[in-house]
Amino acid sequence: QGQLVESGGGVVRPGTSLRLSCAASGFSFSSFAMHWVRQAPGKGLEWVARISYDGSGKYYADSVKGRVTISRDNSKNTLFLQMNSLRVEDTAVYYCTRDYNDGSGRFDYWGQGTLVTVSS
Amino acid sequence: EFVLTQSPGTLSLSPGERATLSCRASQSVSSSSLVWYQQIPGQAPRLLIYGASSRATGIPDRFSGSGSGTDFTLTISRLEPEDSAVYYCQNFGGSPGFTFGQGTKLEIK
Repeated sequence: QGQLVESGGGVVRPGTSLRLSCAASGFSFSSFAMHWVRQAPGKGLEWVARISYDGSGKYYADSVKGRVTISRDNSKNTLFLQMNSLRVEDTAVYYCTRDYNDGSGRFDYWGQGTLVTVSS
Repeated sequence: EFVLTQSPGTLSLSPGERATLSCRASQSVSSSSLVWYQQIPGQAPRLLIYGASSRATGIPDRFSGSGSGTDFTLTISRLEPEDSAVYYCQNFGGSPGFTFGQGTKLEIK
């Protein structure tokens, strides 16, 4: 059974940067596209970014485009999200998810999430 | 902009009853890309239904999905207290690529 464990969240000031990590285990990480999904306090789910299995394809939500970079290290089974120029509205729990990779767009594994709080 | 609208916002039912949750797309979507998740308070979302009607591994047959085009439904029969959660639909495709509905909160009285 696959497992995803996020880390790197915390309290930061607006305009600063933060890098989130997601350690994967129990499945062939390098074979699957991966995503970040976030959830603001008391709100719904928002897709943030996607990276292809080999890192060659990256896609972003308009709300974060230009400020966020998704990347991966398949040798270390780890997914990253580099967030720059953070805004108060980026405050959320950030989930790492696995794309089942059959074209259905379903996210079959989710981490427990890491909380990012942007506040002055 | 592509939007998924879920209704009702909140649903309050008793154990043993049937719940019917709706997800409406702003334009026609492929059934193969319509997904449902369950999120119990304090937990990460869990995959329930994919391809509009296929249950994910380990999901009891009390959960079923249906629909096509712009209208999709998640039905939960014989409600149990542990079904209390927020349910989200999701679509893959179009802009921005992956879209979630705003969620339906199901309360079991």
